[in-house]
Amino acid sequence: DAKTTQPNSMESNEEEPVHLPCNHSTISGTDYIHWYRQLPSQGPEYVIHGLTSNVNNRMASLAIAEDRKSSTLILHRATLRDAAVYYCILLKTSYDKVIFGPGTSLSVIP
Amino acid sequence: DVKVTQSSRYLVKRTGEKVFLECVQDMDHENMFWYRQDPGLGLRLIYFSYDVKMKEKGDIPEGYSVSREKKERFSLILESASTNQTSMYLCASSPGKAGFYEQYFGPGTRLTVT
Repeated sequence: DAKTTQPNSMESNEEEPVHLPCNHSTISGTDYIHWYRQLPSQGPEYVIHGLTSNVNNRMASLAIAEDRKSSTLILHRATLRDAAVYYCILLKTSYDKVIFGPGTSLSVIP
Repeated sequence: DVKVTQSSRYLVKRTGEKVFLECVQDMDHENMFWYRQDPGLGLRLIYFSYDVKMKEKGDIPEGYSVSREKKERFSLILESASTNQTSMYLCASSPGKAGFYEQYFGPGTRLTVT
């Protein structure tokens, strides 16, 4: 089964860009790459997702490597409200296996 | 905005009790999910449903069952609660095809079984 690997924690200064990496070397062709984040005492919140091409939305950008074995979530200007645990997950169209790893805990320094 | 609500934020039950966790979504989503979240283990999928009266097992279905009688409501049932089911339970919904669409999560129910 495809798995994801992320750093346990990262720090960023406020108003600077943040690049959160995710490795998924065993990804299959039908796996979508999703990113969610979770603030303390809340449920996860959708951030962005993609299949092969880079994606942009109002929250972030997702850069997907050409071989799809890694991806990077980019927050263009970190704010204090971006401090959260960020999860990179792979979702198949069949939903028969969903893996949320421990995620990356992002700290934003004022 | 999509809203996913869960019946309780905190719940304390005794070992052996039957426990019902309710989840309601207001956006006519096809798919609904139940996860549990434990420290160091991340989120794990218990069950999901892609239609009324349909259900599929996730990664850890043992000790749980589910019910989906109406499109907007998805219930998780612990037939006989045990202490190892103490956890945070999260419900989610999604508008359509798995992977292609995002999931929307509720605030979670923290269940303690004593």
